Amino acid sequence: AQTVTQSQPEMSVQEAETVTLSCTYDTSESDYYLFWYKQPPSRQMILVIRQEAYKQQNATENRFSVNFQKAAKSFSLKISDSQLGDAAMYFCAYRSPYSGAGSYQLTFGKGTKLSVIP
Amino acid sequence: DADVTQTPRNRITKTGKRIMLECSQTKGHDRMYWYRQDPGLGLRLIYYSFDVKDINKGEISDGYSVSRQAQAKFSLSLESAIPNQTALYFCATSDRDRGRPGEGYNEQFFGPGTRLTVL
Repeated sequence: AQTVTQSQPEMSVQEAETVTLSCTYDTSESDYYLFWYKQPPSRQMILVIRQEAYKQQNATENRFSVNFQKAAKSFSLKISDSQLGDAAMYFCAYRSPYSGAGSYQLTFGKGTKLSVIP
Repeated sequence: DADVTQTPRNRITKTGKRIMLECSQTKGHDRMYWYRQDPGLGLRLIYYSFDVKDINKGEISDGYSVSRQAQAKFSLSLESAIPNQTALYFCATSDRDRGRPGEGYNEQFFGPGTRLTVL
């Protein structure tokens, strides 16, 4: 079974600065999907960014970008120009692309709580 | 209007009571999921359904049951609630995969969550 590890339970960043959240995963598959979800205090789960393993180019969405290192099984999230609204729990998630029991589920890490200091 | 809705948003119940959490979606997706979130544990899958006639157990299905009444509705039941089922419950939906494995992906869209407290 796949596992997802977020080794930083909490992090903080100064407003306008850059922060990187770490995520590693364990899998024997060669093709898969990776996601970062944001959960603000409203508790809504919001997709921030996604990456397909077969793509070598790192995904970018405005101020959010990832550093995908397939060989190292690492998928870190970089938030640039941090804003107060970025304060939230961030979850890394893995999904297998193949059909079959369990393949469509998301396997989540335990989350990183990000605080943004004004 | 929200694409994925959950009712109730908050619920307090007592040990031994039967409780049902409901999820509805207007996205037209075939696949629906129920997750549970506990502090420090992330989200874990309880049940998932690929269509009305296809329901599958997830990682932590013991103590739960589900019903897919229609493509748009997926309910989670706790037959006899116990305190360690106190958690935040999320429903999610996704479209079917298209293309070859590894190509394309289907985002899961989450409902707003139901906070359940079992006393």
